[in-house]
Formats: sequence, structure tokens, C-alpha cells
Amino acid sequence: SQKIEQNSEALNIQEGKTATLTCNYTNYSPAYLQWYRQDPGRGPVFLLLIRENEKEKRKERLKVTFDTTLKQSLFHITASQPADSATYLCAPYDSTLTFGKGTMLLVSP
Amino acid sequence: NAGVTQTPKFRVLKTGQSMTLLCAQDMNHEYMYWYRQDPGMGLRLIHYSVGEGTTAKGEVPDGYNVSRLKKQNFLLGLESAAPSQTSVYFCASTNGQGGTEAFFGQGTRLTVV
Repeated sequence: SQKIEQNSEALNIQEGKTATLTCNYTNYSPAYLQWYRQDPGRGPVFLLLIRENEKEKRKERLKVTFDTTLKQSLFHITASQPADSATYLCAPYDSTLTFGKGTMLLVSP
Repeated sequence: NAGVTQTPKFRVLKTGQSMTLLCAQDMNHEYMYWYRQDPGMGLRLIHYSVGEGTTAKGEVPDGYNVSRLKKQNFLLGLESAAPSQTSVYFCASTNGQGGTEAFFGQGTRLTVV
């Protein structure tokens, strides 16, 4: 069956460091992979999309990589700030939009 | 633009009661989705629609029905609510398949007692 795995444990980092979140998937052949941010009590908000023929995508302090051989995407936030604290969801798109359970990021001052 | 609007925001139901959750989008999007989110379970897809008049089952469709009579609206129905359906429900819409971002509503918190 299809599975999306994200670290279930919260990631705690210090302000200014780079946060790296991992998304692994099995039994998917996604043409796209999306990353979303979700704050408590709110709906997810789109951050970045990467296509299967792209290795890397950047947007300001955000960077996403996509390795279709490893079936893995990495999401990086450089120069992290306390305001980056949230849960981050990955969504490999195969035939529908399905999400991993998300990883909570906590950035301390 | 309002984007994606869910109605109601909160609701308490008794076991066996029925209700309909409304999702409305004003972006002329083709695709619409209903998810439920439970602690530790992430977002799980209930039903989705790829256009007006179409619906399809997602990962957890049992106990729910949907309709997409108008392009801008996607309704989620619970015919006979059960405590296991206590959850936060999110609606989302996209302009196409996975190559475009999804816009989410603010969620509906449903409690079935």
C-alpha cells in the first residue's frame, strides 16, 4: 500500500540554524511533490512545489530537493526563526493529493 | 477574494444525527477535496471531485457522502453521525492536478457525542 513517512518526533533547533525535514514515500510515482505549513487550529498553507524532473527548488529561505530514485524529498529552512515554528506536511501527488502526517518544527530563540 | 470557505466552523452532533458540511470556493477551481484530521493521524482524504458533477472515494470514505452539483460548492454529508467521526474537517481546492497549489478552508471542528 502507499505510504508517506515524515519524522513523527518534533525537530527542535536554535534560531539561525538550518532545519532539515525528511519525507519518504513508498508505492508512489509522484509527478509532483508539494510542501505545506500548518499552524495550530488553521488549515495548511502551500509553500513549495517540485516536479519529478527537478532536483532542487528554492524560494527565499526555503529549499526542497526531490530524489525519485531514493523516493525522498528534503525540505530545508535556512536561518530559521521562531516564527518558522509550525508543522510541515509533504504531499506527493500521484493520482490524488495525499499528505504525510507532518513534522513539527520548534525554533527556539 | 474569500478563497475557500467552510460552513459551519464548529458543530456538536448527537450520535445518529445527520448534517452537511459546505465548502465554497470562488477561484473557479476544478478539483475539490474533503479531508479529516485527527491527532497523530494527519490529513486523510475522504472524498474528492475532479469537476462539477463528479465525485470519487478517497482513503476513508465510509460513513460519508458528497455531492458537487455546482462547480464552486462541495458538500460533505454525514447521514448517521458516530463518535468516531469526531474530527476536524478540511476542504481544499486546486486548479488542476498536482502541479498547482491547493487552497484550504479554515476547518470545521465536529464533535459527535
